[in-house]
Amino acid sequence: DTEVTQTPKHLVMGMTNKKSLKCEQHMGHRAMYWYKQKAKKPPELMFVYSYEKLSINESVPSRFSPECPNSSLLNLHLHALQPEDSALYLCASSQVGRYYGYTFGSGTRLTVV
Amino acid sequence: TQLLEQSPQFLSIQEGENLTVYCNSSSVFSSLQWYRQEPGEGPVLLVTVVTGGEVKKLKRLTFQFGDARKDSSLHITAAQPGDTGLYLCAGTTSGTYKYIFGTGTRLKVLA
Repeated sequence: DTEVTQTPKHLVMGMTNKKSLKCEQHMGHRAMYWYKQKAKKPPELMFVYSYEKLSINESVPSRFSPECPNSSLLNLHLHALQPEDSALYLCASSQVGRYYGYTFGSGTRLTVV
Repeated sequence: TQLLEQSPQFLSIQEGENLTVYCNSSSVFSSLQWYRQEPGEGPVLLVTVVTGGEVKKLKRLTFQFGDARKDSSLHITAAQPGDTGLYLCAGTTSGTYKYIFGTGTRLKVLA
């Protein structure tokens, strides 16, 4: 299995809703990432998990809450989002170390109304 | 701020033409990757280069890592409409071990 699976593919939520994005990989990768991507821009790093522990939080607002229940799963819990949070949210995984590229999921297209 | 600048930013060419995309930085990279991203999808890893001066080929795509490991290039021979997409370079800096994405090159190949 060489894929990163993200669900849902599309999500529309109101500013008072609570929702979660899910990400799963079975490649044995011990580093997992959440990225946010606006239209026609490169991905922006949000969080990094290494060996199931949060290692990097790029000053992301607390309305985004990551969770790594085990080495295969990564969640992003969303609460009280703003319309400007609408974007493509990408999950990625990789082997730990500085010589490895990332395997990305197809993303969740989030629209906040 | 460490940056990976890509050029050109946009490129529209006819099928069959050749092109080169550049990725430049003032920082040294331990490794550098190239990705292609299609609309509404995640980036797909094309190649990883690690050694200064390294050249890798993937069918019609040729990737080169600069001798000083500060820059890279992607050359496409006889471009096809299927090559259309956003090309991103990315890499891990040697000093801070931070993973940085390039500014992106949007390629459109017309049939």
